[in-house]
Amino acid sequence: SQQGEEDPQALSIQEGENATMNCSYKTSINNLQWYRQNSGRGLVHLILIRSNEREKHSGRLRVTLDTSKKSSSLLITASRAADTASYFCAPPNQAGTALIFGKGTTLSVSS
Amino acid sequence: DVKVTQSSRYLVKRTGEKVFLECVQDMDHENMFWYRQDPGLGLRLIYFSYDVKMKEKGDIPEGYSVSREKKERFSLILESASTNQTSMYLCASSLSGSGNTGELFFGEGSRLTVL
Repeated sequence: SQQGEEDPQALSIQEGENATMNCSYKTSINNLQWYRQNSGRGLVHLILIRSNEREKHSGRLRVTLDTSKKSSSLLITASRAADTASYFCAPPNQAGTALIFGKGTTLSVSS
Repeated sequence: DVKVTQSSRYLVKRTGEKVFLECVQDMDHENMFWYRQDPGLGLRLIYFSYDVKMKEKGDIPEGYSVSREKKERFSLILESASTNQTSMYLCASSLSGSGNTGELFFGEGSRLTVL
């Protein structure tokens, strides 16, 4: 089934730096979502971008969507140690009935 | 504050036991989902439900069943637990009006170990 594939699998940066995570998916979508997961906890919704949007901002988050390339990116600006977590993109499955998650990008931000 | 509550954070069961994982949401959401999460495999969809007494198979339904007798409660059942079902189980819910691919609200997860 369709799955969001995040890249890189792991990312280590210093506080204050920007972090960019990429996502590729396989079929046409009407929206794509990004989620965050702190270690051992449930996932938390970060942002949803619709297929007719190219870019969306929320605080220090910037998400882009390129439907022609079937790809999305999540940029976290001015990272903080508290941003340390795993990040997942979640496109809908082919039937549009549920979200499909990949393996995520594990971000480590050191102070 | 919206909430999805999973009844047990940690469970240890023996092979062959019947296991019930309970999930309750207080947001009046129509859609509810069960995923499992394993290292290196990400989250995989087991079952979902878009209405009371309705259920749909996800990508890995084998060895599992579900029950949705009330709108707020979605139970995952392992009829005969096996060691390969040791995993983190995550429940989620969403509004129907936002489409079945609307924002998901997750519980904290239930970490099941089958010995």
